[in-house]
Amino acid sequence: NAGVTQTPKFQVLKTGQSMTLQCAQDMNHEYMSWYRQDPGMGLRLIHYSVGAGITDQGEVPNGYNVSRSTTEDFPLRLLSAAPSQTSVYFCASSYSHEGANTGELFFGEGSRLTVL
Amino acid sequence: AQKVTQAQTEISVVEKEDVTLDCVYETRDTTYYLFWYKQPPSGELVFLIRRNSFDEQNEISGRYSWNFQKSTSSFNFTITASQVVDSAVYFCALRIGGGADGLTFGKGTHLIIQP
Repeated sequence: NAGVTQTPKFQVLKTGQSMTLQCAQDMNHEYMSWYRQDPGMGLRLIHYSVGAGITDQGEVPNGYNVSRSTTEDFPLRLLSAAPSQTSVYFCASSYSHEGANTGELFFGEGSRLTVL
Repeated sequence: AQKVTQAQTEISVVEKEDVTLDCVYETRDTTYYLFWYKQPPSGELVFLIRRNSFDEQNEISGRYSWNFQKSTSSFNFTITASQVVDSAVYFCALRIGGGADGLTFGKGTHLIIQP
């Protein structure tokens, strides 16, 4: 059981380049989300999804795009990378209980992105 | 909007000491959930506990215990007889009930256990 898998683990981009961070989970969780972690800032929610075909913005969505075509996959796209997007990115999934999101997040190992 | 404050940026104690990590939250919702997560030096994030707003009973799991007090909007985490393996960054988080979105995290407390 792989859990939540993120790729790549490390990436260096130049300003203006685009890229996609991949995230896949094999636990059949309805909820998936992307967070970024910056020093001294904790984790901040970028985008989230409550199921295939449904996505919404979190606290810091600007410069990022997501889609959820299947239950398993939730890729994060950086449209035109900026140095301010240098961060560690975590994908997470969670399951529902009695119809509600439990909030118990299962995280991927993280992707460290550097934008020069 | 909700907010989570972890005022202790870094705590350093000697092994076997007890240590308490503070967490204060703000929300106007009456239904909400509180969480603690651990991030060891290896970088992964590990779920420790979830508590809903209607359950104020303290919880103990081995050397870990959590004290939830609605009157002070706090959800503190105590490690008894700390060990070097407890060294990590600990995050407190909040989610309002009925919401489908993610968690609001505090900025974390870096706990250093010295041998």
